[in-house]
Amino acid sequence: EVQLVESGGGLVKPGGSLRLSCAASGFIFSTYSMNWVRQAPGKGLEWVSSITSSSSYMYYVDSVKGRFTISRDNAKNSLFLQMNSLRAEDTAVYYCVRGHQEYDYWGQGTLVIVSS
Amino acid sequence: EIVLTQSPDFQSVTPKEKVTITCRASQSIGSSLHWYQQKPDQSPKLLIKYASQSISGVPSRFSGSGSGTDFTLTINSLEAEDAATYYCHQSLTLPRTFGQGTKVDIK
Repeated sequence: EVQLVESGGGLVKPGGSLRLSCAASGFIFSTYSMNWVRQAPGKGLEWVSSITSSSSYMYYVDSVKGRFTISRDNAKNSLFLQMNSLRAEDTAVYYCVRGHQEYDYWGQGTLVIVSS
Repeated sequence: EIVLTQSPDFQSVTPKEKVTITCRASQSIGSSLHWYQQKPDQSPKLLIKYASQSISGVPSRFSGSGSGTDFTLTINSLEAEDAATYYCHQSLTLPRTFGQGTKVDIK
């Protein structure tokens, strides 16, 4: 059974940092592109970042470029999102998502709240 | 950036009724369009991929159609468990984008 379990969310002050993690199991992690998608409270879905299977390419939505860094450790079946210079508008549930085209498996999400 | 516009934003439907949700892309995306269902307090779930391809485990009352710029998600004979918000998503270009969502409520 495919499982994606996020962790690392929490309350952080504006300008602060957080590192999100996603533990993957039930599939060959090293063969899949992975993504972070977020959802602000009461709002829709927003793609944040993607990383190819071997970390050759990383992509970001413009609003997080230069502040967020996606990475992965295929030996540990883990995906990460380093979030720096956090802003109030980054407040959201962050989902770890499998897929390059269609997004076929989603984690349960981890809530990030940026507030003073 | 490709903008996806869904209509309607909200629909209140009686059980067994047919539901049609449309998604219009700001430029042609071929068949690179996928549909998701998100129930309250749950993660999104893939319903349809590449505009019309079914997903294992998804009830057959869900179907998709369209190509280019106009796409449709159809729910035949709505059931109470289908109350959710539905999103379309394009994977042709970066940034990946989603429609704003269509909330389906059961009367």
